[in-house]
Amino acid sequence: LAKTTQPISMDSYEGQEVNITCSHNNIATNDYITWYQQFPSQGPRFIIQGYKTKVTNEVASLFIPADRKSSTLSLPRVSLSDTAVYYCLVGSPHGSSNTGKLIFGQGTTLQVKP
Amino acid sequence: NAGVTQTPKFQVLKTGQSMTLQCAQDMNHEYMSWYRQDPGMGLRLIHYSVGAGITDQGEVPNGYNVSRSTTEDFPLRLLSAAPSQTSVYFCASTKREASYEQYFGPGTRLTVT
Repeated sequence: LAKTTQPISMDSYEGQEVNITCSHNNIATNDYITWYQQFPSQGPRFIIQGYKTKVTNEVASLFIPADRKSSTLSLPRVSLSDTAVYYCLVGSPHGSSNTGKLIFGQGTTLQVKP
Repeated sequence: NAGVTQTPKFQVLKTGQSMTLQCAQDMNHEYMSWYRQDPGMGLRLIHYSVGAGITDQGEVPNGYNVSRSTTEDFPLRLLSAAPSQTSVYFCASTKREASYEQYFGPGTRLTVT
């Protein structure tokens, strides 16, 4: 499982776009990039997953450059309720090595201010 | 669907006591896992299971036992509680073909005195 590095914390204001970057220099060919969100006193929640280029859903966008050594989670027009910890995970959800094991780092604590 | 349920929500134990944290899912997911989360830290994998009758150790398995006799249930047993096991415990499940899209339960907050 590839090691990831992301900022420990970020501050933003309501209505701004927030970009959280994750470095994963040792990403393997079969690895996907997955982001989770965790609110205080709750379990993590899957946000988005991608392999290359750009993925968008109703919550966020995920940008992955061609070399795949990093990725950026983009949250458009954040609100106070987006205050949470965001985790970047890298690994393969397919094939014989797929065991469902998730390795979480410390994540990025996003604080959205009014 | 209820999703992933965990009981109890809160528990206080004395050192040396034993207990079982319950986890159940009604989504027919093959994979289930247990994590612990300590203050200011990410989640650490304790044990996981890729199907009924199959379990394996994660990053921090010492002091914990698991079994998986059915697809739905994955209990976590603390044989002799220690203060170092004070933590929030999360259970998760997922289907094999989408294993990185996991569903987490609400957690059990355990305090060992």
